Amino acid sequence: EDQVTQSPEALRLQEGESSSLNCSYTVSGLRGLFWYRQDPGKGPEFLFTLYSAGEEKEKERLKATLTKKESFLHITAPKPEDSATYLCAVQAAAAGNKLTFGGGTRVLVKP
Amino acid sequence: DAGVTQSPTHLIKTRGQQVTLRCSPISGHKSVSWYQQVLGQGPQFIFQYYEKEERGRGNFPDRFSARQFPNYSSELNVNALLLGDSALYLCASSPAWGGNEQYFGPGTRLTVT
Repeated sequence: EDQVTQSPEALRLQEGESSSLNCSYTVSGLRGLFWYRQDPGKGPEFLFTLYSAGEEKEKERLKATLTKKESFLHITAPKPEDSATYLCAVQAAAAGNKLTFGGGTRVLVKP
Repeated sequence: DAGVTQSPTHLIKTRGQQVTLRCSPISGHKSVSWYQQVLGQGPQFIFQYYEKEERGRGNFPDRFSARQFPNYSSELNVNALLLGDSALYLCASSPAWGGNEQYFGPGTRLTVT
């Protein structure tokens, strides 16, 4: 059974204080690993898809990396508007479009 | 371009009632998936549809059912509502099967009293 574990559950940062979020996974044949941002009461907003170990993607202050067992989301010099829950999900090769999500990391960036 | 749309936005139902939630995918997308997200947790997979056929089902009881229409929109039905069905129901749209793009709608907040 595919499993995704995210840590930490919550993260409080000062504005400008860089940090990393971890996503550990087990999956039978990874097709893709997805990162989403979710604001309270809203649907997840797509950030990145990573496909193979060693791959990296960047968007503004966010950078996602992938190894064979985990992914990291690095937040560089965060701003208060980066406050959100960040969700990680895996898609198995044999599972079509099904995503298996972790529990998320709630990030609060204080000015 | 319009994103994934869902209706209604919020819904309050009583235990034992039935509810229908609706989703319109991004134009040109042929796959729709449904997820349930309980407060404080990650989304849980319920169903996936591609080209109007069910292609997968998560670990949910038979009270949950869905369908996809010729225009690729979708409905999720839940019968005999329980308090534990209170959650944010999310629809995700993808252009293809095994797609590397999955975009979510704003969700429908269902409260069962």
